[in-house]
Amino acid sequence: DAKTTQPPSMDCAEGRAANLPCNHSTISGNEYVYWYRQIHSQGPQYIIHGLKNNETNEMASLIITEDRKSSTLILPHATLRDTAVYYCIVPSGTYKYIFGTGTRLKVLA
Amino acid sequence: SAVISQKPSRDICQRGTSLTIQCQVDSQVTMMFWYRQQPGQSLTLIATANQGSEATYESGFVIDKFPISRPNLTFSTLTVSNMSPEDSSIYLCSVASLYTEAFFGQGTRLTVV
Repeated sequence: DAKTTQPPSMDCAEGRAANLPCNHSTISGNEYVYWYRQIHSQGPQYIIHGLKNNETNEMASLIITEDRKSSTLILPHATLRDTAVYYCIVPSGTYKYIFGTGTRLKVLA
Repeated sequence: SAVISQKPSRDICQRGTSLTIQCQVDSQVTMMFWYRQQPGQSLTLIATANQGSEATYESGFVIDKFPISRPNLTFSTLTVSNMSPEDSSIYLCSVASLYTEAFFGQGTRLTVV
């Protein structure tokens, strides 16, 4: 089973920040949190990952709570092209990615 | 990053036949995986493709139905055997190496009629 839970869907206005939450309450001390997105049934695209510090790259920011039991992916200025299903994943074993149901983000014009 | 090529990108097959999907990576990778995505669903891990040995299957998937080969560090195949309409899905290859994120192919869209 997936180690993460996410809301099934969210809407966001174009140009606004999209904040996507994820719960991973059973995460172990050395396990990373990864975020991917899938657009129109293409292959999942890597966004960002982190261990315990907040991370930022050209696509997004990742905020991980101090107890590491939850995290939030932030798309700072959502565009229509960010409409996708977003998956939060904590790999189990050796790089095995078990996908949950993800969050279907719809960016509204 | 790794560039993954999957072939075919899509196919329509008759029930009872088999289809072999190829996954080629542009660099040597440690781990290769195969996933299935049924219509409207999330990705489900089928198996880990092990180089030179039998694949490791997840619960609910068996070798007779989904035989997998991995002859080297850059190539793997997944065969969907004795297909039925319930096998209509997108099949995806994924790769990962030590200290890197996983990369996914664009998938093979299979329709069984």
